[in-house]
Amino acid sequence: NAGVTQTPKFRILKIGQSMTLQCTQDMNHNYMYWYRQDPGMGLKLIYYSVGAGITDKGEVPNGYNVSRSTTEDFPLRLELAAPSQTSVYFCASSPKRGGRTDTQYFGPGTRLTVL
Amino acid sequence: TQLLEQSPQFLSIQEGENLTVYCNSSSVFSSLQWYRQEPGEGPVLLVTVVTGGEVKKLKRLTFQFGDARKDSSLHITAAQPGDTGLYLCAGARAGGTSYGKLTFGQGTILTVHP
Repeated sequence: NAGVTQTPKFRILKIGQSMTLQCTQDMNHNYMYWYRQDPGMGLKLIYYSVGAGITDKGEVPNGYNVSRSTTEDFPLRLELAAPSQTSVYFCASSPKRGGRTDTQYFGPGTRLTVL
Repeated sequence: TQLLEQSPQFLSIQEGENLTVYCNSSSVFSSLQWYRQEPGEGPVLLVTVVTGGEVKKLKRLTFQFGDARKDSSLHITAAQPGDTGLYLCAGARAGGTSYGKLTFGQGTILTVHP
């Protein structure tokens, strides 16, 4: 049971390039989330999904897109990378209930630099 | 937008000292979670508090949820170097449309020196 896995671990992009950050969970969780973490800023929610085929915007969605074709996978797409997207990106999942006490299980993160 | 303010942002102490981290908001949360994050890893849940005035203990860590469910604190007794890390508080809204979304504080970086 690997939990939440993310690839790649590190990536450097040039301005204007695109890339997809991969996230997979093997816990059969319906709820999945993408966050970005900037120094001194905590975690900001980018997008979330409550199940396959269902996604919605979080607090900072601009410049990103997501899809959820399976329960396990929740990739995050960056189109036209900008320096402001330099950050550490975390994927998380939580059980079906999605209630107030649910634990979110986080992946190890992807450190992205846009130059 | 619901905001969570954490203080202090940085804390550097000697082994054996006590410390308290605060998490404050003007909004009411249905529950408050505390996470710990080590360098190069994702946050890991320490505790969830759900009732106003609730106190939970995890070994040397004591967590408290304010009576009005707007604030929380984390107290560490006799800190050890292994407590070093980033501590994050996160609040959850109630309701069927919350979908477990969390609002995170900006974090407290704790360094415990031997």
